[in-house]
Amino acid sequence: GAVVSQHPSWVICKSGTSVKIECRSLDFQATTMFWYRQFPKQSLMLMATSNEGSKATYEQGVEKDKFLINHASLTLSTLTVTSAHPEDSSFYICSAATGAGNTIYFGEGSWLTVV
Amino acid sequence: GEDVEQSLFLSVREGDSSVINCTYTDSSSTYLYWYKQEPGAGLQLLTYIFSNMDMKQDQRLTVLLNKKDKHLSLRIADTQTGDSAIYFCAEMGGGGNTPLVFGKGTRLSVIA
Repeated sequence: GAVVSQHPSWVICKSGTSVKIECRSLDFQATTMFWYRQFPKQSLMLMATSNEGSKATYEQGVEKDKFLINHASLTLSTLTVTSAHPEDSSFYICSAATGAGNTIYFGEGSWLTVV
Repeated sequence: GEDVEQSLFLSVREGDSSVINCTYTDSSSTYLYWYKQEPGAGLQLLTYIFSNMDMKQDQRLTVLLNKKDKHLSLRIADTQTGDSAIYFCAEMGGGGNTPLVFGKGTRLSVIA
């Protein structure tokens, strides 16, 4: 079946540095991918919609200059957390829709810890 | 705006059936989903149902949809300890390029 892969699964970085998380659709093309953030024991919060070949659409309250999203190809979207701070520590998950449009698959998630 | 509500906890004995309920507010929902999340992991798609269907069964899973009441349920037959996880209900209001709206998740605990 369709698979969405994220990398890295775990990352620890120093405060002030930038971290890039990749989201790949492994056996299908995804014109649209979504990035979510999940705090411990909470639901998923949509951060932005990543559109292939165009700018991402950010949800209200999400800083686009801090969370840079690039969707350069139909199988890859990246989320870069710039100048990370401890409050950015969280679980980040991406998702993508298959060509059928109604099946949404999620990546395994990426744990970010900023120290 | 759109809202999806779930009860937060459910505890069942191994071998019993589990029923997880969800309500939503968006009357234009096209698809409704159930995802499973184990600790520290991503979301696993369990099943989904199109809004013009009443029921969908897939092995131990049965999804019931009452569109009039905007109520969705997931029944897990013969619940096993491996079913312990958080179950998220989600709805899609538009086509495949619209994001899902999630409930807060129901934590299912299975007692051996």
